[in-house]
Amino acid sequence: QSVLTQPPSVSAAPGQKVTISCSGSSSTIGNNYICWYQQLPGTAPKLLIYGNDKRPSGIPDRFSGSKSGTSATLGITGLQTGDEADYYCGTWDSSLTGAVFGGGTKLTVL
Amino acid sequence: EVQLVESGGGLVKPGGSLRVSCAASGFTFSGYTMNWVRQAPGKGLEWVSSITSSSSYMYYADSVKGRFTISRDNAKNSLFLQMNSLRVEDTAVYYCARGAGDYDYWGQGTLVTVSS
Repeated sequence: QSVLTQPPSVSAAPGQKVTISCSGSSSTIGNNYICWYQQLPGTAPKLLIYGNDKRPSGIPDRFSGSKSGTSATLGITGLQTGDEADYYCGTWDSSLTGAVFGGGTKLTVL
Repeated sequence: EVQLVESGGGLVKPGGSLRVSCAASGFTFSGYTMNWVRQAPGKGLEWVSSITSSSSYMYYADSVKGRFTISRDNAKNSLFLQMNSLRVEDTAVYYCARGAGDYDYWGQGTLVTVSS
């Protein structure tokens, strides 16, 4: 059972938009920055969003992040088959004094 | 170019020990918090441990506290994870990752298998 809760899977057609939710608590998302990672099959995770809503250099603006209270959302527009991957949210847990990740969401582009 | 290269993984028996390493290049290693994150086969990411830039603070997941020790050698741009009293459930790919809070660079991982 992960400290951050994500849906196990989401799917959408190419060109469409999808959102992935991440639910936490006041000790996690509520009082810390959230980040999102993309893990393509067989590869290491890659930082997609940091500081709740900022994109590292090289990440297209099709990817966006938002946070409200103790929840966060990753949005992906203009879906491409190459976006098929596992997506993880992550943050710091002030009560555990450690980092925490969501259980991951598998995105299928139909 | 930032590079993180893990090594030292392998097969070890339950109760055994192993030390994995991460060689960093392409950035000022001594200026960054470094981390270990693991991923069991077919499972999600699990944070393991973090160490601040000058080794002032170390943090551990409850699942490894008392068994694993994180350390670093800033002169050699290297990060280490000493794993003792290994359990079957420690089997995973171990990644080193740079950053405090958000991990902007990751290595390719090294596989640790704990099995009799």
